[in-house]
Amino acid sequence: DTGVSQNPRHKITKRGQNVTFRCDPISEHNRLYWYRQTLGQGPEFLTYFQNEAQLEKSRLLSDRFSAERPKGSFSTLEIQRTEQGDSAMYLCASRDGLAGKPTDTQYFGPGTRLTVL
Amino acid sequence: LAKTTQPISMDSYEGQEVNITCSHNNIATNDYITWYQQFPSQGPRFIIQGYKTKVTNEVASLFIPADRKSSTLSLPRVSLSDTAVYYCLVVINTGFQKLVFGTGTRLLVSP
Repeated sequence: DTGVSQNPRHKITKRGQNVTFRCDPISEHNRLYWYRQTLGQGPEFLTYFQNEAQLEKSRLLSDRFSAERPKGSFSTLEIQRTEQGDSAMYLCASRDGLAGKPTDTQYFGPGTRLTVL
Repeated sequence: LAKTTQPISMDSYEGQEVNITCSHNNIATNDYITWYQQFPSQGPRFIIQGYKTKVTNEVASLFIPADRKSSTLSLPRVSLSDTAVYYCLVVINTGFQKLVFGTGTRLLVSP
């Protein structure tokens, strides 16, 4: 499978614990995005990487959230001191960006569903 | 980014053609119209993108009038498996390309 993969698919944690999610983008894609989606809503942008550089961050990304993409390949999203309001689906997407086509789109992974008890 | 408006929900039956219209009155010159499909507990899946007139692929057609203030996603002969949420987005295909999702249109296809 050459699509975007995310691990774990599900995570249940207790309030106050730290959690980390991983995203493996499509191999040749240099642009990577994280989104959060709550029930009944569309995905909301969290942060954006071009290669290893984190170029954009949403105001939704509080200081408890940190994302990395150390070698410009896979990325991790860590949430410290989780709160019940962090319960959501966390989606990762990747995009080619080098193809030079105006219509290159984002390809999403299956998401990690986080439940904070 | 231009805001989009689309129906909250639609119902259809198997074999029918479904047309979902989206309005984007403030679309800018460099914006593209993009549609994604999302099934429960899955990430959104790209369906189709267009700039003007008509675009067709193996899944759907996208109709965009000359003023580009609206667009219509057409799904021919829907099946039960087309039951999903469909999102209309206006996208600037620059390096960043931030996607702004609304609440989408929930399509329910019945037998």
